[in-house]
Amino acid sequence: DVQMTQSPSSLSASVGDRVTITCRASQDISNYLAWFQQKPGKAPKSLIYGASNLQSGVPSKFSGSGSGTDFNLTITSLQPEDFATYYCHQYSRYPLTFGGGTKVDIK
Amino acid sequence: QLQLQESGPGLVKPSETLSLTCTVSGDSISSTIYYWAWIRQPPGKGLEWLGSVYYSGRTYYNASLKSRVTISVDTSKNQFSLKLSSVTAADTAVYYCARQGYDSRTPAFDPWGQGTLVTVSS
Repeated sequence: DVQMTQSPSSLSASVGDRVTITCRASQDISNYLAWFQQKPGKAPKSLIYGASNLQSGVPSKFSGSGSGTDFNLTITSLQPEDFATYYCHQYSRYPLTFGGGTKVDIK
Repeated sequence: QLQLQESGPGLVKPSETLSLTCTVSGDSISSTIYYWAWIRQPPGKGLEWLGSVYYSGRTYYNASLKSRVTISVDTSKNQFSLKLSSVTAADTAVYYCARQGYDSRTPAFDPWGQGTLVTVSS
């Protein structure tokens, strides 16, 4: 199975900050990498697919990069509505797997 | 607008079978470029993919569930279903259904249903 390791597991940031979350795959997954945002009590929401493609309707403050085994999600100018948990997900091969999540909270 | 809605019992007894249905509205489940998936999230924990089904009935399962999971599709009702047998308290989770993209050119899981909490308890 492809193990997905996210770091950090949590971070504290201020409104207006730029943050970067890292995801590492245990095997080469090419660009089959997605990022999701989840707020408490809500279903995850798709942000990025294909490692760097912005989901329709998602603001351009979110961006994804990487290929192979190392990937990043960057959020610029954090706003109150961005404080949430973020998950990476590989869909290169079955079983499909997720990272453990990164909780972004207010400093 | 495509919407997915989970339905089924919120309480299941240990050793019994959990059964959920996802109703798809706003698009045909017979699309050739999507799979349909079940994902769960235990309280306070991360996401776990359970399995996926294509409109033809082809399925992929998470082997970690040790053959307890069965996913089926009913194209006439635009629904797909999940059955998880021999449940224990460890199967208590919010269960989500989602549309799954076919390759890296389509969103991985989008949209998702709102989720339904299933508690395993006697």
